[in-house]
Amino acid sequence: QLQLQESGPGLVKASETLSLTCTVSGGSISSSDYYWGWIRQPPGKGLEWIGNIFYSGSTNANPSLRSRVTISVDTSKNQFSLRLTSVTAADTAIYFCARRAGGFSGYDSEWGQGTQVTVSS
Amino acid sequence: DIQMTQSPSSLSASVGDRVTITCRASQSIFRYLNWYQQKPGQAPKLLIYAASSLQSGVPSRFSGSGSGTEFTLTITSLQPEDFATYSCQQTYSTPITFGQGTRLDIK
Repeated sequence: QLQLQESGPGLVKASETLSLTCTVSGGSISSSDYYWGWIRQPPGKGLEWIGNIFYSGSTNANPSLRSRVTISVDTSKNQFSLRLTSVTAADTAIYFCARRAGGFSGYDSEWGQGTQVTVSS
Repeated sequence: DIQMTQSPSSLSASVGDRVTITCRASQSIFRYLNWYQQKPGQAPKLLIYAASSLQSGVPSRFSGSGSGTEFTLTITSLQPEDFATYSCQQTYSTPITFGQGTRLDIK
């Protein structure tokens, strides 16, 4: 059974860089059938797509975050990662990693449990 | 960006009721529309993909319909475990966007 697990600091200082890793178990991140992505949810608000990556390293990110976002993949570790630079209080959210099936325009069928990230001043 | 607008924003219903939630897109997204259920403290769970396809393991009381700009999620015979927040998602174009969510409460 596929499992995704987010990991990383729960507290990041304003202006610094948020770094999270998603570890995939029970399946290979190198499958050509899936994309891997990050989605976040600010407190009390709706879901916001951050971006996706294919195992080859090809990425697609939300234009509203693109200048600050880097998504990378490490197939040897079966992990993919998110870096978000110059964080502010607006980046405080629960961050989820997910597996997308059905191509890039498909659907997020498997999700990690989410990890809370708080930006402090 | 494609705006996704759900209605209602909140809804109260009773066990056994039939409920319908609507999601409207600001432009045609064909059938690139997914529905998720989220309970407090949990990750979203995929219910419906491609507007009307039921995800494996999801009870058949959940159904989706629509195409273009208007979509609906219907739950027939509400069960206690169905009280949650429901969100739609379009994957037709980037940025991928979600509706604001519909909170379904027990009446």
